[in-house]
Amino acid sequence: QSALTQPRSVSGSPGQSVTISCTGTSSDVGAYNYVSWYQQHPGKAPKFMIYDVSKRPSGVPDRFSGSKSGNTASLTISGLQAEDEADYYCHSYAGSYTFGVFGGGTKLTVL
Amino acid sequence: EVQLVESGGGLVQPGGSLRLSCAASGFTFSSHWMHWVRQAPGKGLVWVLRISTDGSGTTYADSVKGRFTISRDNAKNTLYLQMNSLRAEDTAVYYCVRGIKGTSVAFDIWGQGTMVTVSS
Repeated sequence: QSALTQPRSVSGSPGQSVTISCTGTSSDVGAYNYVSWYQQHPGKAPKFMIYDVSKRPSGVPDRFSGSKSGNTASLTISGLQAEDEADYYCHSYAGSYTFGVFGGGTKLTVL
Repeated sequence: EVQLVESGGGLVQPGGSLRLSCAASGFTFSSHWMHWVRQAPGKGLVWVLRISTDGSGTTYADSVKGRFTISRDNAKNTLYLQMNSLRAEDTAVYYCVRGIKGTSVAFDIWGQGTMVTVSS
């Protein structure tokens, strides 16, 4: 199972919006609405941000939103803040035998 | 407080074995699938294995099949990872992760991680 494809890095200024893409195949992202996103600050454990493509767990700001079109999922962060600077990973379910796969991760820099 | 605390990491020689533990607290452990996810130094997250709520079902990534075994003791609220025939490429931080409840697939609670280094 190959990793989902994410851009290595994205950047934006405070207050702006950025979108991180996550491209898979018709066997994972395109087949299931079980895409989730995680935020990881340096030296810390990942934090759960989005599930089922676009649902936000309690406590996650509504500045974070998710979507999907075909084999590509996206995470959009609006109103960028300095604390949003982190690595972001997507994950997709890929069936009961292989279970799932993460993206390679995207480093978000807030300029 | 919902918490996962891993232990058991360390330095091991290639071909050696190590057993990781993950103590769960603050939630009904037996109601959740549990997973191990690893992250090599400077690299991305990689899902490794999962176990069903009662321990009867497991799924393994191809990279660890036949070498790693996941198990759980619901009476002790503890998840385990037995790692045998360790290789240099198994060097990583290993995270104990809770699967979200219900029909969805996601990881909602993560431990702080434990470092495993495979080197001679």
